[in-house]
Amino acid sequence: DQQVKQNSPSLSVQEGRISILNCDYTNSMFDYFLWYKKYPAEGPTFLISISSIKDKNEDGRFTVFLNKSAKHLSLHIVPSQPGDSAVYFCAAAEGYTNAGKSTFGDGTTLTVKP
Amino acid sequence: NAGVTQTPKFRVLKTGQSMTLLCAQDMNHEYMYWYRQDPGMGLRLIHYSVGEGTTAKGEVPDGYNVSRLKKQNFLLGLESAAPSQTSVYFCASSRDRVAGPGPPFFGSGTQLSVL
Repeated sequence: DQQVKQNSPSLSVQEGRISILNCDYTNSMFDYFLWYKKYPAEGPTFLISISSIKDKNEDGRFTVFLNKSAKHLSLHIVPSQPGDSAVYFCAAAEGYTNAGKSTFGDGTTLTVKP
Repeated sequence: NAGVTQTPKFRVLKTGQSMTLLCAQDMNHEYMYWYRQDPGMGLRLIHYSVGEGTTAKGEVPDGYNVSRLKKQNFLLGLESAAPSQTSVYFCASSRDRVAGPGPPFFGSGTQLSVL
């Protein structure tokens, strides 16, 4: 049973608009959540994270929202830029110190059209 | 500053052959990890190390062995390759014991095909 799910394999948005990527998890022990960005032929790059003691974390154009009761998190990118086109992975861990042992979702391919 | 370097970038093996993937990091990180990524899927942890001389199993360790003889290097070995091990392999490392591991830094990956 997949513990971290990204139900949308792909998302296409217009440049300048908002991109919303979603992620659901089932394991109640997860309390630290991460988003990674991956370009083709490169390794994933850490983007932003959130601890379960928060419900929102912002870093520039990127905001992650966490709804613990629904076991749902989302990544908002505003405004979206063509350079944001990549695969985005959601990941979840039992604590910050276990970030390297995260469970990953299958990814969402974001395409930002000029 | 190279970060995390993986060699080779591509490799083709025949079933039953053995090989070793090398990962080197120059950030003085304590923790190192090996993952695999199959098409359309997320990364899965194979093995990891919390320091020189230590190794531990991850989610999908079967068919792989690892060694961490030097702090900066983490080797992944396949003793008898199988077609099911065709995948992209990523190495990663994360911060020192004082700051804690945190989100890892990834290498650019090794595409392995087993025929």
